[in-house]
Amino acid sequence: SYELTQPPSVSVSPGQTARITCSGDALPKQYAYWFQQKPGQAPVVVVYKDDERPSGIPERFSGSSSGTTVTLTITGAQAEDEADYYCQSADSSGTYRIFGGGTKLTVL
Amino acid sequence: EVQLVESGGGLVQPGESLRLSCAASGFTFRGAAIHWVRQASGKGLEWLGRIRSKTHSYATAYAASVNGRFSISRDDSKDTAYLQMNSLKPEDTALYYCTRPDVEMTFDLWGRGTLVTVSS
Repeated sequence: SYELTQPPSVSVSPGQTARITCSGDALPKQYAYWFQQKPGQAPVVVVYKDDERPSGIPERFSGSSSGTTVTLTITGAQAEDEADYYCQSADSSGTYRIFGGGTKLTVL
Repeated sequence: EVQLVESGGGLVQPGESLRLSCAASGFTFRGAAIHWVRQASGKGLEWLGRIRSKTHSYATAYAASVNGRFSISRDDSKDTAYLQMNSLKPEDTALYYCTRPDVEMTFDLWGRGTLVTVSS
C-alpha cells in the first residue's frame, strides 16, 4: 500500500528554521497538503497544493516540492508553532487520500 | 456559520455496528464531497474514505483498512453524510472526523469529531 514518510520529530530553537520532510512515490504526480494539529483541536491546513499558503496563515510557513519529497519550512519558528504536522496527498490515481505519520515539532 | 458536526459516537462491543452522522451547515452540501478521517488517541490521522456529490454519481472510495466493513452514504435533503461501521474491532477506537475538500481539494473544513470506543 502507498505510504507517505515523515520524521517522527523535529526540534528547533525559537527563531530558527524548521524543516519537515514528507516522502512518497506519487508526490511528483499528486499535490501535497500540510496540516498543523494542536492538542485537542482539529487539523488546520497551513500549506496546500505543495506551496500555496491559505489566507490567515503566517508567512513564515512555506512549502516546496522536489521529486518524491515535499518539505514544510517554518522560517523563524515560534513557540506557538509547537504542534503535530501532517502531510497529506493521494495515490497515483488520485482516488485514495493518505496522510503521513505525522511529525511532532518542538520549539524550545 | 459554515460548519460540520459529527455525532453518533459511543461505546460499543467488538463485532457490533455503529452509524456516525456528519451534519453540514452554511454551505451548499449537495455540491461537496465528504471525507471521513479518524485518529486514535496519541496516533496520527488516517483517511477512511469519501463520497462524492450527485454530479459525480455519489462515488465512494475506501481505505484498504476499512474496505468491506465501513460504508459512506449521504442524504442531501438533510445536508448529512453518514459513516456506517460494521464488525467493529478494538483497533477502530478513535476520534472520527468528517471533512470537506474545497475547490483546491484542500480539507479546509473539519468537524470537532465524535469518539468511538470499541471494548468489551
